[in-house]
Amino acid sequence: DSGVTQTPKHLITATGQRVTLRCSPRSGDLSVYWYQQSLDQGLQFLIQYYNGEERAKGNILERFSAQQFPDLHSELNLSSLELGDSALYFCASSATGEGKQPQHFGDGTRLSIL
Amino acid sequence: AQKVTQAQTEISVVEKEDVTLDCVYETRDTTYYLFWYKQPPSGELVFLIRRNSFDEQNEISGRYSWNFQKSTSSFNFTITASQVVDSAVYFCALTLPTYGQNFVFGPGTRLSVLP
Repeated sequence: DSGVTQTPKHLITATGQRVTLRCSPRSGDLSVYWYQQSLDQGLQFLIQYYNGEERAKGNILERFSAQQFPDLHSELNLSSLELGDSALYFCASSATGEGKQPQHFGDGTRLSIL
Repeated sequence: AQKVTQAQTEISVVEKEDVTLDCVYETRDTTYYLFWYKQPPSGELVFLIRRNSFDEQNEISGRYSWNFQKSTSSFNFTITASQVVDSAVYFCALTLPTYGQNFVFGPGTRLSVLP
C-alpha cells in the first residue's frame, strides 16, 4: 500500500461529459502528480502541484484541469470527454516535489468513455 | 530533452530462469536520477529503486539487482530465479533533481514468468 488514495477506482461515462478524479497524497507529502496511461501513449505526465501551487505542466489537454486544495488533496477535472480519453489515470505524491524523490503512486482510476 | 528507451517490449521466461530488463537513457545533464517501477496485473505502480548519476555501484536486493553504467547510458534490471509473481510490466524512468521536473518513463517491458 503506497498510502496514496485515488477515487473512484472505475468510472464509466459518455462522450461530452465531465468527470472529476480525486487523489489524497501520502501523509506528509506536499507534492502531487497526475499521469495518464493509455495503451498507445504509455505513461504520460500531465501536471504537478506543490502545496497548492502548480509546479510543472506536461502533456495536459486544455479540456483537462487540476487543482490541489489546502488539505493537499488534488482533483483532476476532465471535460468534453472523447473516446480517446479512455485510460488509466494515476496520481502520485512525493515529499517536496524535488525530482530526485521517488513518486509513490495510487492504484489509479480507470476511465472508460462509451 | 530526456528520453528513456526500453527496447524489449515483451519477455517470457520459465520460472527459475534469470532475466535482464534493459533500460537506455538520454540526457545532457550530469546530475540525474533513474528509477525502476513495477506494474503488476492489478495495475498499481510500485517503486523499486532509485539511483543517482554519481553512484555507479551495483545494487542487490534479494533476487533483484541493478547494473548502472554511465559509459553506455544504461540502467539494467536483473531478476534472478524468476517467480510467477514477478510477472508484471516494468518501467524505467529518468528525472532531473530540480523542482518542476517530471518523470520521463520508458515504454515498459512486459515480463511473463511461466510456471
